[in-house]
Amino acid sequence: NAGVMQNPRHLVRRRGQEARLRCSPMKGHSHVYWYRQLPEEGLKFMVYLQKENIIDESGMPKERFSAEFPKEGPSILRIQQVVRGDSAAYFCASSPSGRNTIYFGEGSWLTVV
Amino acid sequence: GESVGLHLPTLSVQEGDNSIINCAYSNSASDYFIWYKQESGKGPQFIIDIRSNMDKRQGQRVTVLLNKTVKHLSLQIAATQPGDSAVYFCAEETQGGSEKLVFGKGTKLTVNP
Repeated sequence: NAGVMQNPRHLVRRRGQEARLRCSPMKGHSHVYWYRQLPEEGLKFMVYLQKENIIDESGMPKERFSAEFPKEGPSILRIQQVVRGDSAAYFCASSPSGRNTIYFGEGSWLTVV
Repeated sequence: GESVGLHLPTLSVQEGDNSIINCAYSNSASDYFIWYKQESGKGPQFIIDIRSNMDKRQGQRVTVLLNKTVKHLSLQIAATQPGDSAVYFCAEETQGGSEKLVFGKGTKLTVNP
């Protein structure tokens, strides 16, 4: 059973460009979470999604950031008009349902130059 | 601010010794706690979890202790090995919430041979 798959693993974007991060949850998992981690920091919750629904986006910046988890295909975290402060590791996690252990992917490292 | 924190940012032990990593949480409504291990450049790896109706839970070489009175969580690693060197995070989840986890900043464990 493959784990949570994220791609790309590393992404470099110039300021003002768009970044798209993809996450395929573990097989059988319908709940997806996105977290952001700055260097030497813990993970900060961004958004919680189920198929075609955003359940909790309280950790998402109000502008430039969006997330989706379509009926078919991976979950996408989209960052528009990136700035240097967006440079971080973005982790996706999944669980089979709420109130269960969540499992993390290996992360996508975004560098904005 | 963060409701989960750690007493010590770094911990250095000798190979074969036991390690104890501590965590304090402030939300008395939290009812589920997880310890994750994160190696450099990788995603958080689930180690062990505990629910608030328990005081202690044991895994392979690891034990988690929960003291709800003082809102304290600890991870004990027996016979620490060089492969245990990593950053350890505790995370909490609150009943009635949206299943999101709140992470502390982490403790960096270094095991000296």
